[in-house]
Amino acid sequence: EVQLVESGGGLVQPGGSLRLSCAASGFTFSSYDMNWVRQAPGKGLEWVSYISGSASTIYYADSVKGRFTISRDNAKNSLYLQMISLRAEDTAVYYCARGRGGVWGQGTTVTVSS
Amino acid sequence: EIVLTQSPGTLSLSPGERATLSCRASQSFSSSYLTWYQQKPGQAPRLLIYGASRATGIPDRFSGSGSGTDFTLTISRLEPEDFAVYYCQQYGSSPFTFGPGTKVDIK
Repeated sequence: EVQLVESGGGLVQPGGSLRLSCAASGFTFSSYDMNWVRQAPGKGLEWVSYISGSASTIYYADSVKGRFTISRDNAKNSLYLQMISLRAEDTAVYYCARGRGGVWGQGTTVTVSS
Repeated sequence: EIVLTQSPGTLSLSPGERATLSCRASQSFSSSYLTWYQQKPGQAPRLLIYGASRATGIPDRFSGSGSGTDFTLTISRLEPEDFAVYYCQQYGSSPFTFGPGTKVDIK
C-alpha cells in the first residue's frame, strides 16, 4: 500500500525549533519529487517547500525561506522539514505530499505558542 | 509569483445539479501544470485533476478544462459525497501556489 506518515509535530514556543519527518512506503521513494504543504486552522492550503527526487532542486515559499530546510534520505525512504525561528503564524497541520499531489499523509500538527 | 483566484467563494447547490468552479491566474501558464483537489473536514486533500486528466479512481463526473489564465472544474451531477472544499494549484513555477478554495455546500 502506498503510504506517507508524518511525525514530529507538537507544541513549541515562539523562536523554537522542530523537525518534521515523513515516512514513505509502498513505492520507489527516490523516483518522486516531494512537497510539504500546510494548513492553518480554518484556513486554506499553503505550499511550503519542494524537493526533487535526487534532492538537486529545492524551492521554498517566501514565508519560510531562511527558516525552514527541506531534505530527504532516499535510503531511509524519508522526507524531512527542519523548522527554526518558529512564529505563531507557522501554526498549522503540515502535510507531506508525493509529486503532483497524488498521495498525501494524514498530517502532523504544529502549534507555536507560549 | 502566480496568484490564483477562485470563484465563487461558496457555491450552494442541490444534489444532481451541475457545479462550475473557476480558477483564474495572475499570469498565463500551461494547463498541464494546473491541479484540482477536493478536501473534506478533517481529511487530507484528494487529487482530482492534473492537467486535463482525472487522477486514479476519480469518477468521470469530474472534469477540468481551460488554458492560459482561466481554468474550470466541472462536476456534472453532484453526488452527496461531493460537497466539500475545492482548491486549484499551479505546479508550473515556484512558488507552487494554491487558490483560496471554493466551498460547495448543500442548498
